[in-house]
Amino acid sequence: QKEVEQNSGPLSVPEGAIASLNCTYSDRGSQSFFWYRQYSGKSPELIMFIYSNGDKEDGRFTAQLNKASQYVSLLIRDSQPSDSATYLCAVKGGNQFYFGTGTSLTVIP
Amino acid sequence: EAEVAQSPRYKITEKSQAVAFWCDPISGHATLYWYRQILGQGPELLVQFQDESVVDDSQLPKDRFSAERLKGVDSTLKIQPAELGDSAMYLCASSSRGLTDTQYFGPGTRLTVL
Repeated sequence: QKEVEQNSGPLSVPEGAIASLNCTYSDRGSQSFFWYRQYSGKSPELIMFIYSNGDKEDGRFTAQLNKASQYVSLLIRDSQPSDSATYLCAVKGGNQFYFGTGTSLTVIP
Repeated sequence: EAEVAQSPRYKITEKSQAVAFWCDPISGHATLYWYRQILGQGPELLVQFQDESVVDDSQLPKDRFSAERLKGVDSTLKIQPAELGDSAMYLCASSSRGLTDTQYFGPGTRLTVL
């Protein structure tokens, strides 16, 4: 069973702070890694993907991947109340995507 | 911007009735996925198509669920008969071939079985 683990939270940060979301995965053969944001009652929205070790930055978001440790993270700088949502980590292995249960983030004004 | 289309957005039905959901992927996307998401959990893959062929349906409850993608474009997911435990969000996603095969989700169908 290929597993993707996330801390369910809730994670609360003050507005303007850095939010750090973490994800670990069990399958060493995993190829690509994705972060989705999901607002309550809505479908997942892609934030970014990463497939090489290291950091990838897109605006206020930075994804970090460490394949040796089987660990991927998402940093949100200058957090805004509109960032309050559930963040899903997804891992692609073979032809299939595996999702974590998501981390609930609340940004406090 | 191209999007995945789904209908209906909401469906309320009584148990033992039949329901059907429709999905139209982003144009040119060969891979189509149907997921079920229960509140507080991550999406669970029900079925994956590559063009018109089923690639993975190992988690599809085949006694009551069926899915088809006859022409390799749009797809239908059916439940017959619906059970109380089927209440969930049904998500369709599509992706193109490539290194990352990034998935894009449609708006989902919220199913409530009474």
